[in-house]
Order: sequence, then C-alpha cells, then structure tokens
Amino acid sequence: DTGVSQNPRHKITKRGQNVTFRCDPISEHNRLIWYRQTLGQGPEFLTYFQNEAQLEKSRLLSDRFSAERPKGSFSTLEIQRTEQGDSAMYLCASSLGLARETQYFGPGTRLLVL
Amino acid sequence: KNEVEQSPQNLTAQEGEFITINCSYSVGISALHWLQQHPGGGIVSLFMLSSGKKKHGRLIATINIQEKHSSLHITASHPRDSAVYICAVSLVGSYDKVIFGPGTSLSVIP
Repeated sequence: DTGVSQNPRHKITKRGQNVTFRCDPISEHNRLIWYRQTLGQGPEFLTYFQNEAQLEKSRLLSDRFSAERPKGSFSTLEIQRTEQGDSAMYLCASSLGLARETQYFGPGTRLLVL
Repeated sequence: KNEVEQSPQNLTAQEGEFITINCSYSVGISALHWLQQHPGGGIVSLFMLSSGKKKHGRLIATINIQEKHSSLHITASHPRDSAVYICAVSLVGSYDKVIFGPGTSLSVIP
C-alpha cells in the first residue's frame, strides 16, 4: 500500500454513460498525476495538478474527459459519453512536487465499457 | 519509433538466475524510473535515477546518460520477482510528464 487510494477499483458501464473516478493522494503531496494504461501497454500521461491547478493536459485527453482537484487534495476524473475505447486502467500517482521526487502510484481503477 | 523501448519484451528465468532488463530512450530526460507492476495492476516505484547506479536489496539499476541507456539487474532471482518491469522517463523540465516504456514481463520459475 503506497498511501494513494483510488475508487472504485473496478467499473463496468454501458457505452454512452458517464463515469467518475476518485483519487486520494498522500496527504502532504502537492502533485497529482493521472495516467491511462491499456492492456499490454505502459501507462500514458493524461494530466497533472500542482495543488488545485491543472498545469498540463495530454492530447489524449479529449473533450469528453475532465479532471478536477478542487481543494488541492483529492482529484476526480470524469469521462462523459463513454466509448469502448475508453476501457483501460486509470492510474493516479502523487508526489511531493520537489525536483527529482519519485511518484507513488495508486492501485488504479479498471474501466470496462460494454 | 517509440521514445522509450525495452528489451526483452518477455523473459522467463530459472530461480536463482541473474536477470538483466534493458531500456533505451531517445528524448532528453531529467530522470529515469524503474517500476514494478504486479498482475493486479498495482505499480511500485523501484528506482529513480539521473546518473550512475543505485542498489536496493537484490535489485541494481544503472544509467548511461551519454548512451541513453539503462539496465535493471536482479540477482538471485526468485518467483516472487515475477511481474512486469516498466522503464519510464521524466522529460527535461518536467518531472511529472513521464513517458513509459512497454514493459518487460518477467516470469521466474522455481
């Protein structure tokens, strides 16, 4: 257990539905990063927050995806109008935000869109 | 061509063998990470390197910045080492934007 938690751990939804995932980072960590991992591939960067500010978004993050970190603590990732291609493991990581600081990964949320 | 490549893609070893996993990258980096991912999906950070060599228990990681290459070595391998090992790089100027390699799936047989 790294101290980073994600909920739910698994989610099955029908195409077209909206889903929301939550990440609770290690409490003193300023940075929070979202990744997506599809089967057989390494994780891909989606977006990251420095406290409550969303500083960078990948081109992978289409308009259907939105992420928030309203109070600089937990973060939510919402996918609207899910598509089958959204099926993946969504990973969250956090770090102190200092240079050369390792990231601590949560267990991930596995999404299956039917 | 992927920005981070690993070899081999799959590796099967007998318990006790010395294992080497290689990683090469083609971008400017500020740090290189070795991660371990177990079948349930959980990822554990093993090392973060920007130069030289690090050792933790039976694991050794080295990096050659000039050659843009890193290796992860496992000495006296054990079945519990079976996992996917992922090499990832933090881009210059951004420790948070990490590019991951495809992973090396290791299976250690008793």
